[in-house]
Amino acid sequence: DGGITQSPKYLFRKEGQNVTLSCEQNLNHDAMYWYRQDPGQGLRLIYYSQIVNDFQKGDIAEGYSVSREKKESFPLTVTSAQKNPTAFYLCATAPRQGVYEQFFGPGTRLTVL
Amino acid sequence: AQSVTQLDSQVPVFEEAPVELRCNYSSSVSVYLFWYVQYPNQGLQLLLKYLSGSTLVESINGFEAEFNKSQTSFHLRKPSVHISDTAEYFCAVSELRGSTLGRLYFGRGTQLTVWP
Repeated sequence: DGGITQSPKYLFRKEGQNVTLSCEQNLNHDAMYWYRQDPGQGLRLIYYSQIVNDFQKGDIAEGYSVSREKKESFPLTVTSAQKNPTAFYLCATAPRQGVYEQFFGPGTRLTVL
Repeated sequence: AQSVTQLDSQVPVFEEAPVELRCNYSSSVSVYLFWYVQYPNQGLQLLLKYLSGSTLVESINGFEAEFNKSQTSFHLRKPSVHISDTAEYFCAVSELRGSTLGRLYFGRGTQLTVWP
C-alpha cells in the first residue's frame, strides 16, 4: 500500500523535552517537506529536502532540526528551543524537483504540557 | 516573497446553495495554482490544479476554479454544495522560477460549513 506515514497520530510531551516526529514514504519521491499548521494561520514551511543528505530551512526553522539520510525518511525533531511547539505537523512529498504538486501525510498533533 | 490571500476565513452556506471561495496571490512571474481540502484531523488532499492550458479547471466532485491572470486570482466555485463538502479549503501557489522553485505557498484557509 503506497503512501506517506506519520507516526504517532497524537503525541504528548513535557515542556523542555526534545521530540522527534516520523515521516516515511514509499512513493519513491525525491522531495520531502515539513509544515506546521496552527488555527487560522494556514501551513508554514519548516524544512524541506530535495535530495538525500541535503535540506534547506523554510520560513520557521528556528527550534527545529531535520535529517535526510534515506530517501524514504525525513524525521523532524522539535527541540526545547522551540517556544510554542504545540501544533499540527504535516509531512508532504513531491516526485522530484520541478513537479509542484505535493502529497500530504495524515499529520501528527503534538501537545506540549 | 509570494503572498496568498484567502479573503474569507469562514463561509457558511445552506445545502444545495452555490458557493465561491476566493483566492488572490501576489506574483509577477508565471505560477502554478492549487486548491487543497482538509477534513478534521487529517492531511491535505489535492482538489484541483492549474498548470497550463484552459484557465477553467474542474474536480471530480463538482468543484471548479478559474485562473485569472490579470486579477491574479484563482477562485473556487461549486454550483450546489452538499453537507459532505464541509471542510477547510486551502489555496496554494508555486512560482515557476527563482530561488523558491518547488515551494508551495499557502493561504490561511477558508472553513466551509454546509448547513442542512
